Amino acid sequence: AQSVTQLDSQVPVFEEAPVELRCNYSSSVSVYLFWYVQYPNQGLQLLLKYLSGSTLVESINGFEAEFNKSQTSFHLRKPSVHISDTAEYFCAVSGVASYDKVIFGPGTSLSVIP
Amino acid sequence: EPEVTQTPSHQVTQMGQEVILRCVPISNHLYFYWYRQILGQKVEFLVSFYNNEISEKSEIFDDQFSVERPDGSNFTLKIRSTKLEDSAMYFCASSMSPLYGYTFGSGTRLTVV
Repeated sequence: AQSVTQLDSQVPVFEEAPVELRCNYSSSVSVYLFWYVQYPNQGLQLLLKYLSGSTLVESINGFEAEFNKSQTSFHLRKPSVHISDTAEYFCAVSGVASYDKVIFGPGTSLSVIP
Repeated sequence: EPEVTQTPSHQVTQMGQEVILRCVPISNHLYFYWYRQILGQKVEFLVSFYNNEISEKSEIFDDQFSVERPDGSNFTLKIRSTKLEDSAMYFCASSMSPLYGYTFGSGTRLTVV
């Protein structure tokens, strides 16, 4: 079974400052890793994913995450945040078998301060 | 872009009543899921469905819960006798393959009074 830890429940950051949202996972098998974003009063949207290959993955809105197998981490970063990035961010993991479900971390609430 | 549609967006029901939450997954997707999110808490897996049967369910998904894909397009979650603690946002998701991640619906907020 897999599990996900997000150490920071809330992260306030000023606009245009960099941000890192931390994610660590545990698993006895190979994994796929995901970041989902939930804007206020909305559903979950896939932000980016790591399946294999390059350990650095990027989203279309400037976020990136790096898979670090030795540290079992998949931290999310953005060099300069905008007000519109205010949302809940969920790290998620699944095993690589086709039937494996996605397990979500507890979430990190990112608040961008003008 | 294709999307997963959930209805209703908000449902209020009395404790002990049956509710059916409806979802229309993306048409060519093969895997279907229900998750729930109690207010302010984490997103919890309920059940996965593939090839017209449940492939996995969580401890939360007890005998009060059932899922159905009655007509090849809808995917429903039924709660037979609702309890106060069933109040949550329920998300439906579908996927062509777990490789691609899930597409989530916008959720149904269930309030049990």
